[in-house]
Amino acid sequence: DSGVTQTPKHLITATGQRVTLRCSPRSGDLSVYWYQQSLDQGLQFLIQYYNGEERAKGNILERFSAQQFPDLHSELNLSSLELGDSALYFCASSVGGEGEQYFGPGTRLTVT
Amino acid sequence: GESVGLHLPTLSVQEGDNSIINCAYSNSASDYFIWYKQESGKGPQFIIDIRSNMDKRQGQRVTVLLNKTVKHLSLQIAATQPGDSAVYFCAEIPGNQFYFGTGTSLTVIP
Repeated sequence: DSGVTQTPKHLITATGQRVTLRCSPRSGDLSVYWYQQSLDQGLQFLIQYYNGEERAKGNILERFSAQQFPDLHSELNLSSLELGDSALYFCASSVGGEGEQYFGPGTRLTVT
Repeated sequence: GESVGLHLPTLSVQEGDNSIINCAYSNSASDYFIWYKQESGKGPQFIIDIRSNMDKRQGQRVTVLLNKTVKHLSLQIAATQPGDSAVYFCAEIPGNQFYFGTGTSLTVIP
């Protein structure tokens, strides 16, 4: 158990819908990262927050957004969902802005 | 986008032997590299990292070698055990961006 929690574990929704994925980092970790893992694209970095502020942006679509709250938990919002958004979404946390990251168990999103 | 490629998609080794997993990266500006292990049904797990001012770093049973001249990274696992069976990813980090390889599936034969 990495200490990073993600909810929900599984999510099934229809195209065009909007979902919110939630992540609680390890106690004391200030950074949260979001990743997407799909069979055809592999593991892709989406976005990183550090102590509430966006620190780095990767291949995150405009339909997606994220935020980190004062209690350091983070949410990833996915809207206007398409079939291709079906993937595993991982959250990771680290103490600082870089270094060892601890991954959560992931949320499996299925868009039908 | 960046290209982080793995030379071998699968690798089988006998238990007790050493494993070597290779990774080629493309961005000369990458100054930080990480190896991850992902077991089936689980999230990636950080194994070891290395900065571009080093060419070798050792952990517990693992060693990462970095050759900046040819933009090549390798992960060596000593005395491979059945619990090492997993997919291994390398990641290059130029600035604050993360680019991952497609992964090498390591199977340890008892």
